[in-house]
Order: sequence, then C-alpha cells, then structure tokens
Amino acid sequence: IAGITQAPTSQILAAGRRMTLRCTQDMRHNAMYWYRQDLGLGLRLIHYSNTAGTTGKGEVPDGYSVSRANTDDFPLTLASAVPSQTSVYFCASSERMTTPNEQFFGPGTRLTVL
Amino acid sequence: GQNIDQPTEMTATEGAIVQINCTYQTSGFNGLFWYQQHAGEAPTFLSYNVLDGLEEKGRFSSFLSRSKGYSYLLLKELQMKDSASYLCAVKDSNYQLIWGAGTKLIIKP
Repeated sequence: IAGITQAPTSQILAAGRRMTLRCTQDMRHNAMYWYRQDLGLGLRLIHYSNTAGTTGKGEVPDGYSVSRANTDDFPLTLASAVPSQTSVYFCASSERMTTPNEQFFGPGTRLTVL
Repeated sequence: GQNIDQPTEMTATEGAIVQINCTYQTSGFNGLFWYQQHAGEAPTFLSYNVLDGLEEKGRFSSFLSRSKGYSYLLLKELQMKDSASYLCAVKDSNYQLIWGAGTKLIIKP
C-alpha cells in the first residue's frame, strides 16, 4: 500500500539519550518534511528536504538533524534528547515543495523524554 | 511574524451546517490548505485555494479572500464522523506551510 511509514509508533526516552525517528515513503515524492505537534500549537516544521541530497531548516530546527541519502528515507535524529522535545512527530511528503500539491502524512511517533 | 488564527473549538448539530474561519498574516502567499485530523491520527488533506472564491468538493467547500487574509471551510449535512480538528495552513514565500492551531469540531446528535 502506497504511503508513508514511521517508526517507532511511540517511545519513552531518558534525557540525554540519542534517538532516531525513521520515515519511509514509497510514492517517489521529491519533498519530505518533519513536523512536531504540541497541544494548543499548530504543526511546526523542524526540517525539510526538497530532493534527495538536500535538506533545509524549518521553524524549530535546534536539537534535531536530518539526512536524505535517497528519495524514500528521511530520518530525524535527536542528538541528546531533552524534556521539551516531548511531542508527537509527523513525517510528511509531497511531489514537490514549490507546487500546490498537498502533503501526505505518516501516522506519527509519540515521543516522551523524561 | 507569521500568524494563522482560527477558533479553538466549535460545536454543531448533526445534519446542520458549520463554517470554520481562518485569518492569516504571512510573508508571502502560495496557497491555503485545509486538513482534517481525527484524534490520535495524522492530518489528511481536504482542500486547496490559491485564487479568490469558493472551491466545492462534495459536502465540504472552502472560500478564500486574499485581500482580507481570510478563508473559511464550510461543512454541510454534518455527520458524527466529522467530529475532528480542522487545520488551516498557508504556504508562505519560502513554500513552507504555516499552520494554525486547529479548530476542534464537536458534533452533537
């Protein structure tokens, strides 16, 4: 089934630990995105990638890094987790960033940092 | 700064019509999107407006006025399954989506 998968579904993490959230899409979309969603706030863009091999910073990039080695995968890494990174993380993709195509979202990863 | 405003919560009756408003102030405008998000699930695309006017898609319609920085989502013949949050998002001059906090719609029988 075409779409976006994310792993893990949920995770509880001790502060200071390193964590990588995985995201894979099989729609051959060029653009991919990582958002965090917190209660009472809109989705906030962490990092994005226009195409394989390129990445860019969104609104809230600090404490996060990404890579885009190929079209399908876009992992998000927290180098040293802090409690303020407790959130629901959504990966999304679209055909291109500059066209009016809608973004398709993965099911999300619920992360708790203690 | 960039800002998207929409009501936090609305209540409506099954079978009725509800209008969810969205006002925006962004650096540039490359289209406005509406998404639906059920509790505990991912957002799913509903509609897209880039020109002024009304876009109709079944029971859902979306309106845009660029001069007023205003949009609304109109839901007709409400069903219980329409209970969800509705997210307004604007694509800015950098082609990044700026999101509102969402409007939680509660449908009562």
